[in-house]
Amino acid sequence: ILNVEQSPQSLHVQEGDSTNFTCSFPSSNFYALHWYRWETAKSPEALFVMTLNGDEKKKGRISATLNTKEGYSYLYIKGSQPEDSATYLCALAGGTSYGKLTFGQGTILTVHP
Amino acid sequence: KAGVTQTPRYLIKTRGQQVTLSCSPISGHRSVSWYQQTPGQGLQFLFEYFSETQRNKGNFPGRFSGRQFSNSRSEMNVSTLELGDSALYLCASSQKTGATEAFFGQGTRLTVV
Repeated sequence: ILNVEQSPQSLHVQEGDSTNFTCSFPSSNFYALHWYRWETAKSPEALFVMTLNGDEKKKGRISATLNTKEGYSYLYIKGSQPEDSATYLCALAGGTSYGKLTFGQGTILTVHP
Repeated sequence: KAGVTQTPRYLIKTRGQQVTLSCSPISGHRSVSWYQQTPGQGLQFLFEYFSETQRNKGNFPGRFSGRQFSNSRSEMNVSTLELGDSALYLCASSQKTGATEAFFGQGTRLTVV
């Protein structure tokens, strides 16, 4: 059974602060690591899909890194804005899991103006 | 390009009844996965279909079943509903599996009374 852990569970920051979250996963049988943003009353939206050890991806103020050997990924948000408030989910695709994604419990980010 | 469409959006059923939920994936996507979210739980994988074949199934009782049609549309069925089946059910479609992002529908909110 794959166990994907995210920390912290929740985070409150002020507008303009930079922040980061962690996703830990078993390094064996790794295939891909996904990050999603889930805003209230909306659908989860993909941010990044990473497959290679050392991958770094960036989209605007958000970036992510991946270390498959030690089993972790970091998501960074630079200069947080109130519209960044959402639940951030990471999900692991294992080598034989086909379309199955194993999700962590998520990090709830609240950005205060 | 139309997104993933789930119907109905909201549903209230009585214990013991059965329910069918529908998911229309993005055109061209052959993989459809289903997830359940209950309060306090992360997204739990139910099953995944690819080209009408179930390739993976989560740890749910046999009351939960699904199918996929030749046009990639998918349905999931829950028989003999229990109060604990009250949840948000999300479906996601993707072009390939694992290493490509999943696109989620807005979900069906099922309440069992």
